[in-house]
This record gives sequence, structure tokens and C-alpha cells, in this order.
Amino acid sequence: GQQVMQIPQYQHVQEGEDFTTYCNSSTTLSNIQWYKQRPGGHPVFLIQLVKSGEVKKQKRLTFQFGEAKKNSSLHITATQTTDVGTYFCAGNYGGSQGNLIFGKGTKLSVKP
Amino acid sequence: SQTIHQWPATLVQPVGSPLSLECTVEGTSNPNLYWYRQAAGRGLQLLFYSVGIGQISSEVPQNLSASRPQDRQFILSSKKLLLSDSGFYLCAWASGGFTEAFFGQGTRLTVV
Repeated sequence: GQQVMQIPQYQHVQEGEDFTTYCNSSTTLSNIQWYKQRPGGHPVFLIQLVKSGEVKKQKRLTFQFGEAKKNSSLHITATQTTDVGTYFCAGNYGGSQGNLIFGKGTKLSVKP
Repeated sequence: SQTIHQWPATLVQPVGSPLSLECTVEGTSNPNLYWYRQAAGRGLQLLFYSVGIGQISSEVPQNLSASRPQDRQFILSSKKLLLSDSGFYLCAWASGGFTEAFFGQGTRLTVV
């Protein structure tokens, strides 16, 4: 079945440092979504990328979708303690209108 | 506005007992519905998804089953729980296959 690989599994940073998580699919994605899950909470949608090479920004967060629509990244500039949580990418595959496949997530901890 | 309800929030069940988790969505019609499981500190594993009443797709063969008796109701069941069924179960809905998913608060299941 389809799989979305996400690295790293954990990332510990000092407040103010940058953070990046990467997702990769072996097959072409129709789109990719990013979610954030705070400790003890449920995943919350951040953004969706659809077009090849698309780049979107939300304040300190930058999301990219690869040219081949097989990989994506989330970059946070100057992390803050409020960024703590697990970041997931989730891929939609063409022809499968229903399933939404999540990566294993990257757990970010920020040391003040 | 749309809301998703998932209950119970926590559940402790003995091995071999049955399971029924219910999820309902309000404020939308014909949503895509999903059941995910998250083991402690791990990623989101897609268990079942449904694009319509009575239409269930299973992603992972196991001793769980899902049903969609009504348009906005999604039920996760088991006849006999295993220890390995412990985890955080999340229900989610989306208005289509390529739109953001909204998650319920989750059910933390412990099988003892």
C-alpha cells in the first residue's frame, strides 16, 4: 500500500533555532497536508499543498511541495516553546478519493 | 458549523471483551469518515475510511471492524479485544478526499 515516510522522528532544539521535517512518498501524491498535534491533543490541520513546486508560508512556517509531487517539507524559523508538538504530513493519492495516509510524525521539543 | 463528537474519552477494557466506539458528525452531509489509531508516541495508522453509507475500506487487516449505519455516524468495533489493541483512537471527517480532515478528541483505550 501507499506509504509516506517522514524524518526525523524526534528533534530537540534550543529556542530560536530553526527546525525542518521532511516527508517522502514513493509514488506521486495528489496533494499533501500538514497537521500539528499538541501533547495529549488531536491533530489539527495546518495547510494543504496541491501544485508541483508549491511554497506556502504561515508566519514562521514555510511549507514546500516538491516538483515531482513526491516530497514535502515544513520549516520553522526561530522556534518558540509554543511550537512544541508532533508535526505530521499526510498524503492523498490520485484515484483514491478516500484514504489519507499519515507519516509517522516528527516530535519537536524546544528548550527555552 | 461542523462538529465531530467521539466518545468515550477514555476506556479500560479486559482482554477478550467487545468494543464499540462511536463517532458522529454534525453540520455537514456525506462526509468522508476515518478511523485512525495512534500507539503511544507513534504515528497515525489509518484503520478504516468510508466515502458513503455502507461503504467501508479497510487499510489494515486485524480484529477490528467498522460500520457506517447512517450518513454521519461511524462505529469502530471488535468482538474480542487484544492487548495490542491499546492505543489512542481518532475519528476524523473530511468533506471530500482532497480536503482537510477534522479530528475528534480521541478515545484512549487501554486493554488489560
